[in-house]
This record gives sequence, structure tokens and C-alpha cells, in this order.
Amino acid sequence: EPEVTQTPSHQVTQMGQEVILRCVPISNHLYFYWYRQILGQKVEFLVSFYNNEISEKSEIFDDQFSVERPDGSNFTLKIRSTKLEDSAMYFCASSEYRGRLNTEAFFGQGTRLTVV
Amino acid sequence: DAKTTQPTSMDCAEGRAANLPCNHSTISGNEYVYWYRQIHSQGPQYIIHGLKNNETNEMASLIITEDRKSSTLILPHATLRDTAVYYCIVRVAGDSSYKLIFGSGTRLLVRP
Repeated sequence: EPEVTQTPSHQVTQMGQEVILRCVPISNHLYFYWYRQILGQKVEFLVSFYNNEISEKSEIFDDQFSVERPDGSNFTLKIRSTKLEDSAMYFCASSEYRGRLNTEAFFGQGTRLTVV
Repeated sequence: DAKTTQPTSMDCAEGRAANLPCNHSTISGNEYVYWYRQIHSQGPQYIIHGLKNNETNEMASLIITEDRKSSTLILPHATLRDTAVYYCIVRVAGDSSYKLIFGSGTRLLVRP
């Protein structure tokens, strides 16, 4: 069964450093997303991406964050200068778009980011 | 998107049906009901979705009331691996952005 793949599974970084979280969405999907979950809290939407541009973003997704689809298979989330409060599980997701109906999203297993 | 209300936690015995309720009294006519679950800290897993008709797949059944103000997710024969947090989410069909608003969900514990 096709799946969304995320790497690395765990990333530890120093505060102020840049990190890039990587995702390989399901191959025929056109919509890509990032969500995050701070330990013990709800899953929160960060950003959606379609046709090489951001289609929607949340208040969390400030100038420190950026997304990119550098090639035909990868989708990345970059945090420019990490803060302690960026420590969380980051989930990538992707979905098809059949006709006018956006189908269900499939999530990766997540990258645990720890900022020290 | 309409808000949903779910019980904080539930439990059921292994092998029995688990019935997870969800209230979405402000749902609009073009909003679907989606169910996801999250096992431990893994990525949310899609289960099922529906508009107004009852739906069934290999994982679960979804029963939506006629007025669409509530629904029930049914896991017909719960196993220990079904222990997870279950999220009921409503969102607009055809929405070009798949923004899911996750609430706190229902923590289901399946007992041996």
C-alpha cells in the first residue's frame, strides 16, 4: 500500500539552528500538508501546498517556516532558526484531488523534532 | 468548519463492538464527516468518511443520523490494536485545501 515517508524519524538540533524535515508524499497525490503536534497537545495544521505554492497556512506558520517541493518526489519543511517551542512531532500528509472532491489525506509517521 | 463534540474517553472489551459517538449539530449541507485515529504518537490514520448515507469499509462503519447532527463510528470487533485516540472532523467537500481541525478526540481503550 502506498504510504507517506518522512525522514528523519528523530532530529535533535541546537536552538537557533536551521532544520529541514523531509517527506516523500504518495506519488500520484497533488496536495501536500504539514501538521505538528506538541507533546500532549492537539494535532495542528501548519500549511497546505498545491501546484508549487502555498494554498493555505495557519498563524503558526510564520516567517521562520518555509516549504518547498525541490523535485518531483520530495516535500520539505524548513525552520530557519529553531526555538525551544518548535519541539514537536511534525507530520507530513498528502491527498489526491479527484474532480471537485478533495479526497482523504494520508499521513506519514512523523519526525520528532527536539530543540535543545 | 463545524465543531464536533466527542466524549473524552471510552473503553470496550476485546472482540466487542466499539461505538464512538460524535455530535456536530452545526454541520452544513456541504460538510462531510471524517474519522481519523492516532495510535500512540503515530501519524493520524484515515478511517472513513460520509456525507449523509451510512458507510462501511474494511475498518469500520459510519452511521450518520438523518438530521446529520450526530454520527457514530462503529468498530465491529475491537482488538487491542484499536486502542487509540479517535477524531471526528467535519470539513467542506471539494475544499481545495485539506485543512483538518483536530479536536481532543475520544481516547478508546480496548480491554483484554
